Amino acid sequence: NAGVMQNPRHLVRRRGQEARLRCSPMKGHSHVYWYRQLPEEGLKFMVYLQKENIIDESGMPKERFSAEFPKEGPSILRIQQVVRGDSAAYFCASSPLAGVVTDTQYFGPGTRLTVL
Amino acid sequence: GDSVTQMEGPVTLSEEAFLTINCTYTATGYPSLFWYVQYPGEGLQLLLKATKADDKGSNKGFEATYRKETTSFHLEKGSVQVSDSAVYFCALVNSGGSNYKLTFGKGTLLTVNP
Repeated sequence: NAGVMQNPRHLVRRRGQEARLRCSPMKGHSHVYWYRQLPEEGLKFMVYLQKENIIDESGMPKERFSAEFPKEGPSILRIQQVVRGDSAAYFCASSPLAGVVTDTQYFGPGTRLTVL
Repeated sequence: GDSVTQMEGPVTLSEEAFLTINCTYTATGYPSLFWYVQYPGEGLQLLLKATKADDKGSNKGFEATYRKETTSFHLEKGSVQVSDSAVYFCALVNSGGSNYKLTFGKGTLLTVNP
């Protein structure tokens, strides 16, 4: 059973461009979570999605950031008009059920975004 | 809000040395506590967890005890190996409706030399 896949692993963008980060959850997992790790910080929750639904986006910046998890295909985290402060590692996790106390979240290797 | 503070790294040890990585937390309610490990080039993996006070989580020779009175969850291992070199993250999740939101510490890089 393949783990959580994220691509690209490294992404370089210039200020003002768009960044698209992809996450394929583990097989059979219908819950996806995105976390961001800024330099010298811990991972911070951004958004929780189920297939075709955003359940909790309380950790997402209000502007320029969006996420989706379509019926078919990977989950996408999209950042429009990137700025230098968006440079970070973005981690995706998935679980078969919601609630990390009762069910482990499995993490991908992350996408390192660098904005020039 | 909830927060996790863990020992600043990097930590460098010789093989077979004793390891402690300190972790303290601030949370409302009754959180569950976790240690995750990230090996180079890989995603975070759950190492161990404890869901209530005085619980001890253990795995692969690592242990941590949930101490409510000191709000701590220190990670220990009696004899580290080179293969334990990784980044270790302490985390919590609060009970209640948002019990999927992990709150992480900044991570501690451990390097074990032969």
